[in-house]
Amino acid sequence: NAGVTQTPKFQVLKTGQSMTLQCAQDMNHEYMSWYRQDPGMGLRLIHYSVGAGITDQGEVPNGYNVSRSTTEDFPLRLLSAAPSQTSVYFCASSYRVGLSPSGNTIYFGEGSWLTVV
Amino acid sequence: EDKVVQSPLSLVVHEGDTVTLNCSYEVTNFRSLLWYKQEKKAPTFLFMLTSSGIEKKSGRLSSILDKKELFSILNITATQTGDSAVYLCAVRGSYMYSGGGADGLTFGKGTHLIIQP
Repeated sequence: NAGVTQTPKFQVLKTGQSMTLQCAQDMNHEYMSWYRQDPGMGLRLIHYSVGAGITDQGEVPNGYNVSRSTTEDFPLRLLSAAPSQTSVYFCASSYRVGLSPSGNTIYFGEGSWLTVV
Repeated sequence: EDKVVQSPLSLVVHEGDTVTLNCSYEVTNFRSLLWYKQEKKAPTFLFMLTSSGIEKKSGRLSSILDKKELFSILNITATQTGDSAVYLCAVRGSYMYSGGGADGLTFGKGTHLIIQP
């Protein structure tokens, strides 16, 4: 039972480089999201998706792109990395909120530590 | 804009003490409040609260919600060094996506709890 799998776990990038953080879940969850976590800032939502082919911006979307071609995968792309994007990134998934008015438990990946120099 | 404030931001106590962590919120169309424990990696789910006055318990941890005063508390009794972690509070607010599937989760900054032997 893999749950939510993120790769890579650690990455160092140079300013201006591009890269993709991978996220996959095997629970058939419709809802997937990407958060970044910075010291003293808590978890902030970057982008989210409510199903294959549907994505939307969260609180801090600038500098990131996402796509959702399948239910299982939700990659996060950094187009031109900047030092301000040094952070820990978490992917999360859950069943679609509409199944329960109060919402459902969300499951997090193990995190990806990204450093941009 | 939805807002979640946790206090204290950090707390150091001795093993065996009882601690109370606070979470207050201002959220449009409240649906649920969630508590997570985060050690070195991904947040792990503790509780989801939807109704006022109903205590949720799991071992030495318990939590209660007050929807009138807009806050929740997380209690940990007889603390152990393994309770050392960041405790995150998140609140689900309004649907942001007309398709009925946006999670609307807002996280607080977390309380960093350190239990000393």
